[in-house]
Amino acid sequence: KQEVTQIPAALSVPEGENLVLNCSFTDSAIYNLQWFRQDPGKGLTSLLLIQSSQREQTSGRLNASLDKSSGRSTLYIAASQPGDSATYLCAGANTGNQFYFGTGTSLTVIP
Amino acid sequence: NAGVTQTPKFQVLKTGQSMTLQCAQDMNHNSMYWYRQDPGMGLRLIYYSASEGTTDKGEVPNGYNVSRLNKREFSLRLESAAPSQTSVYFCASSFGRWMNTEAFFGQGTRLTVV
Repeated sequence: KQEVTQIPAALSVPEGENLVLNCSFTDSAIYNLQWFRQDPGKGLTSLLLIQSSQREQTSGRLNASLDKSSGRSTLYIAASQPGDSATYLCAGANTGNQFYFGTGTSLTVIP
Repeated sequence: NAGVTQTPKFQVLKTGQSMTLQCAQDMNHNSMYWYRQDPGMGLRLIYYSASEGTTDKGEVPNGYNVSRLNKREFSLRLESAAPSQTSVYFCASSFGRWMNTEAFFGQGTRLTVV
């Protein structure tokens, strides 16, 4: 079974800071990895999907990288804004159609 | 564009009661999934349907049954609810299997079993 860990569990930063969220997984046979955002009381929204043949993906101020050999993925958020406050979850898929989620990092961006 | 719609949004059940959670997607996706989210444990897969007509167990299937009614709809049934099933339930869909496509989630059903 894939174990996915996210550190830190919570993070508070002032507006404008660049920040990095970390995700580590135990099975290097990971096939793809997605980063999601979850607002309180809401469902998940997919932010970035890194497929097996890729090493990173970018969307606006977000950049996610995947290093299978070290079992790590990072989500980089540039010039953080209060609207970025949410919980960020990573999820990794290996073969077999199972998709394992981390417990998330709760981000607060202070105006 | 509704995306993934779940009903109901909230439900309180007594131990032993049954209920069905409904999920529908309007994106012509092939695969659909049911997850539960518990504090400190992340999201765990209950059942999934890779395509219309097929269903498979996920990580925590005990106490649940599912039906892929058609391509759009995937329901989750609790036959005899237990307090351990108190959770937030999410339905999700994707065009392909998890391995290679973006996943879309519903807004969740908050279930309390007393």
